[in-house]
Amino acid sequence: GAGVSQSPRYKVAKRGQDVALRCDPISGHVSLFWYQQALGQGPEFLTYFQNEAQLDKSGLPSDRFFAERPEGSVSTLKIQRTQQEDSAVYLCASSLTGISGNTIYFGEGSWLTVV
Amino acid sequence: QKEVEQNSGPLSVPEGAIASLNCTYSDRGSQSFFWYRQYSGKSPELIMFIYSNGDKEDGRFTAQLNKASQYVSLLIRDSQPSDSATYLCAVKDDYKLSFGAGTTVTVRA
Repeated sequence: GAGVSQSPRYKVAKRGQDVALRCDPISGHVSLFWYQQALGQGPEFLTYFQNEAQLDKSGLPSDRFFAERPEGSVSTLKIQRTQQEDSAVYLCASSLTGISGNTIYFGEGSWLTVV
Repeated sequence: QKEVEQNSGPLSVPEGAIASLNCTYSDRGSQSFFWYRQYSGKSPELIMFIYSNGDKEDGRFTAQLNKASQYVSLLIRDSQPSDSATYLCAVKDDYKLSFGAGTTVTVRA
């Protein structure tokens, strides 16, 4: 596609429910990132994939968060047993490669509200 | 995680004026600096990047970098109502972007 596509755009989950957020990066982009953006804050890094390999998951806030990119294209961020503090916008981004000089393009985000 | 600090604003400027946004960062070894614009409810959109000390101009936008002072700024000349948005400063380390909290700019018609 022309840009990074994310679904669902909006999700309301009851506390304790599991959610799965999907990201379809720009075709051919090797690098894929997930960021979490709380209201009034800048995006915070969650995890980084290069192709199918998850090279950095240091930003995942707890073991309830899990991300995968099994075929090196589409990625899924899964949050188990959601808590109210998980309410945020989850931004997916991709770039041609991960090195400096390559522009990182963001998707529109998945807005998660946990009630 | 690298620390990036911005004044949260809001910064209100009249139409046609210059909006000046500031950002400081903690890691002296940082090499790549970015300004993103984010409209309410939308994704961040890259507007400028700068790697070298000095000024870089692109249309009405000028980014300024001073590595010795660990300071990067963005000037928006001839501000337009369409420039009303949150501006995010980001520092890149290899592959990872670290963002400030953003400065909200409102341009008054």
